[in-house]
Amino acid sequence: DGGITQSPKYLFRKEGQNVTLSCEQNLNHDAMYWYRQDPGQGLRLIYYSQIVNDFQKGDIAEGYSVSREKKESFPLTVTSAQKNPTAFYLCASIPAGGAFNEQFFGPGTRLTVL
Amino acid sequence: QQQVKQSPQSLIVQKGGISIINCAYENTAFDYFPWYQQFPGKGPALLIAIRPDVSEKKEGRFTISFNKSAKQFSLHIMDSQPGDSATYFCAASISFQKLVFGTGTRLLVSP
Repeated sequence: DGGITQSPKYLFRKEGQNVTLSCEQNLNHDAMYWYRQDPGQGLRLIYYSQIVNDFQKGDIAEGYSVSREKKESFPLTVTSAQKNPTAFYLCASIPAGGAFNEQFFGPGTRLTVL
Repeated sequence: QQQVKQSPQSLIVQKGGISIINCAYENTAFDYFPWYQQFPGKGPALLIAIRPDVSEKKEGRFTISFNKSAKQFSLHIMDSQPGDSATYFCAASISFQKLVFGTGTRLLVSP
């Protein structure tokens, strides 16, 4: 089955620790995105990557880092510099030359920082 | 300018009724307006989308109404069913670049 996999579904970390969220897709999509979702707020773009080894900051990139070493993988690291990391994190992808009407979302990872 | 304002925050509709969710925007450069449906613990899924050159788009029980002069668009869910209970997000983008999302509406359809 083609799709986007995010793991783990739930993640707990102590304050001050870095944590890496996994996003893998087997859709052969070129563009990948990370969003953050908080209660009562829409999705906010953290980082995105349109090709391997290249990525751009979104609207709320501070305290986050990403890498795109492989087309199918776009991990997100939540660093200790992120002041309020507890949130629901969503990964998404779009095929080459595609548009947002073709954007697929993963199932999300709920991160709780204790 | 980049915001999309969505209302209401929550909505309760009886089974068989019409659910209406509204969104408004300021940036006239927006040219793509999708609606997403999200169930608890899941990622959003594209429900229906519209371009500003049409005033209405219908897919099954879901209809988008678009008012370009008022810079507003809305989602209508006809014959609402309990399975429609979810959070709905409107969004907007310019030339299919990054999406700006509304704050979401939690819809509950009572049996």
